[in-house]
Amino acid sequence: ETGVTQTPRHLVMGMTNKKSLKCEQHLGHNAMYWYKQSAKKPLELMFVYNFKEQTENNSVPSRFSPECPNSSHLFLHLHTLQPEDSALYLCASSRDNDNYGYTFGSGTRLTVV
Amino acid sequence: AQKITQTQPGMFVQEKEAVTLDCTYDTSDPSYGLFWYKQPSSGEMIFLIYQGSYDQQNATEGRYSLNFQKARKSANLVISASQLGDSAMYFCAMREGPNNAGNMLTFGGGTRLMVKP
Repeated sequence: ETGVTQTPRHLVMGMTNKKSLKCEQHLGHNAMYWYKQSAKKPLELMFVYNFKEQTENNSVPSRFSPECPNSSHLFLHLHTLQPEDSALYLCASSRDNDNYGYTFGSGTRLTVV
Repeated sequence: AQKITQTQPGMFVQEKEAVTLDCTYDTSDPSYGLFWYKQPSSGEMIFLIYQGSYDQQNATEGRYSLNFQKARKSANLVISASQLGDSAMYFCAMREGPNNAGNMLTFGGGTRLMVKP
C-alpha cells in the first residue's frame, strides 16, 4: 500500500450510467491529481487540486467532473462516457519540497460498454 | 513537441545483467526535476529515483542509478543486476519549475522491460 487508495479497482459501465471514482490519501499531502492512462499513450494529466482548489483542468470533456471536498479526498464523477474513455485512471498526491514526485494509487480500470 | 521522449518501446535483458533505459527531455526552465517510475502489471506507479536540475552528482538508489547528462538533456535509468521482478513498464517524467506541490509531472511514453531467466 502506497498510502493513496483508489476505489473501485475495476469498473464496467454503460454509456448512459453515472458513476464515481474515489481517491483518498492520509499522507498529509496538499495536492492531488487525476491522470488518464490509455493503451499506447503517455499518461495524460486531467485535473490538479492544490489545497482543495482546482489549479489545472487540462481541457478535459465535461463528462468528467472532479470534486475535492478536502485535501485528503478526490472524486471523479463520470456520466455519459464514450467507449474511448476506457482506460486506467490514476490518482496521485504530492506535497511541497518532496523529491519523491507523486505517490500514486493503484488505479481504477474503467471499461465503457 | 514532446517534452519527454523514451525511444525504446520494449527492451529485453538477461537476468543479472545491467540495462539502460533512455530518456531525453526538453525544457527551457532552469529549475526542473526528473523522475523514473516503475509500473508493474498491477497498475500502480512506483517511484524509483529523482534527479534535480541543480544536483551535481548522478542520483543513485540501490540498484538504480540515473545517468544525468544535462547538456544533452538526457536522464537515462541504469538498472544493475536485473531481476525477474524488474519486468515492468518504466516511465520517465519531468517537473518544470520549483519543487512545489501542484506542479504537474509530464510523462514519457514508457519502456517495457522484460527480464529473461
